[in-house]
Amino acid sequence: DSGVTQTPKHLITATGQRVTLRCSPRSGDLSVYWYQQSLDQGLQFLIQYYNGEERAKGNILERFSAQQFPDLHSELNLSSLELGDSALYFCASSPMGGAGEDTQYFGPGTRLTVL
Amino acid sequence: LAKTTQPISMDSYEGQEVNITCSHNNIATNDYITWYQQFPSQGPRFIIQGYKTKVTNEVASLFIPADRKSSTLSLPRVSLSDTAVYYCLVGAPPSGNTPLVFGKGTRLSVIA
Repeated sequence: DSGVTQTPKHLITATGQRVTLRCSPRSGDLSVYWYQQSLDQGLQFLIQYYNGEERAKGNILERFSAQQFPDLHSELNLSSLELGDSALYFCASSPMGGAGEDTQYFGPGTRLTVL
Repeated sequence: LAKTTQPISMDSYEGQEVNITCSHNNIATNDYITWYQQFPSQGPRFIIQGYKTKVTNEVASLFIPADRKSSTLSLPRVSLSDTAVYYCLVGAPPSGNTPLVFGKGTRLSVIA
């Protein structure tokens, strides 16, 4: 158990809908990262927040947005969902900003299925 | 951000030592090298991290030559449960704001 929690574990929805994925980082960790992993694909970095502020952006679509709240939990919002958005979405946290010897700890993921 | 190159896949028999090499030619002075393991439908799990020479823990060893342009993850006497994808990551300089980014990884298959 990494200490990172994600809810829900599974989510099934229809095209065009909007969903929110939630992540609670390990106690004391300031950074939260979001990744997307499609079937047989590598991890695609979406976005990072550090202490409430956006720190880095990866291949995140305009239909996706995220935020980190004062209690450091984070939410990833996915809107106008398409079939291709079906994937595992992982959240990770790290103690600091992500560089150097900072280590990411991953949650169990949320499996999103868009029908 | 240092780019990493690792083999796409490797096969090994149970009980053998497995070495996975990662190339990172443009590694920066302050970069650390970190390896993660991922099982299907699970999040990656930290295995080992190093800066130079050799690091060993209860799971693996990490060998880093003096020029730091590559690193080798060594898994002693693998078992079927070591079948997973292994990712090599090289960190961004502390002055930058780009986090570690995962590549495609190496898919290790352990055969009985």
